[in-house]
Amino acid sequence: EVQLVQSGAEVKKPGESLKISCKASGYSFTTYWIGWVRQTPGKGLEWMAIIYPVDSDIRYSPSFQGRVTISVDRSITTAYLQWSSLRASDTAMYYCVRHVETQFDYWGQGNLITVSS
Amino acid sequence: QSALTQPPSVSGAPGQRVTISCTGSNSNIGAGYHVHWYQQLPGTAPKLLIYGNTNRPSGVPDRFSASKAGTSASLAITGLQPEDEGDYYCQSYDSLSVLYVFGTGTKVTVL
Repeated sequence: EVQLVQSGAEVKKPGESLKISCKASGYSFTTYWIGWVRQTPGKGLEWMAIIYPVDSDIRYSPSFQGRVTISVDRSITTAYLQWSSLRASDTAMYYCVRHVETQFDYWGQGNLITVSS
Repeated sequence: QSALTQPPSVSGAPGQRVTISCTGSNSNIGAGYHVHWYQQLPGTAPKLLIYGNTNRPSGVPDRFSASKAGTSASLAITGLQPEDEGDYYCQSYDSLSVLYVFGTGTKVTVL
């Protein structure tokens, strides 16, 4: 059974750094791209980035390029999303997704990130 | 970022048929890119409902169907059930902005 299990909710202050994780299991980790999708009440679902675990080839949405960093650790089949300096506007639910062709066929349970002073 | 437009809400009585439209442009749906649909039930993560314009993943009931024509696509739910209540999103690829785009989302209410 394919599973994407994400790390828990986080409450951070503006300017702080953060790295969230997504542990993949139940499939060959190096066969599929894996990525992140943001959900907010105002903007809905937004694709952020995807990475190919074999060679760490990365695609970023122009909206998120430079704001976040996606990475993987193949040895533990885990993907990461990190921020160096959070803003209040980063408050959102973040979903880890498995990417195949042009769709996202499996989703993690979500990380609720709250950034507030 | 949203390049795909959906109606904010649709509703229907149990057993009825409802449809959700997804309107794009010549740089996404009209360019031939596949449309996919996701179902998000209250308090849960989105789930792939339809992929490749018309295909249902294993386990998705056949009361869910979808079609695509020109720059638009639509999702139909026939025999609406109370457990179908939630949010539905279309998704495609946009060659102009070079990114995967989602629809604005439609809330389905079962009366």
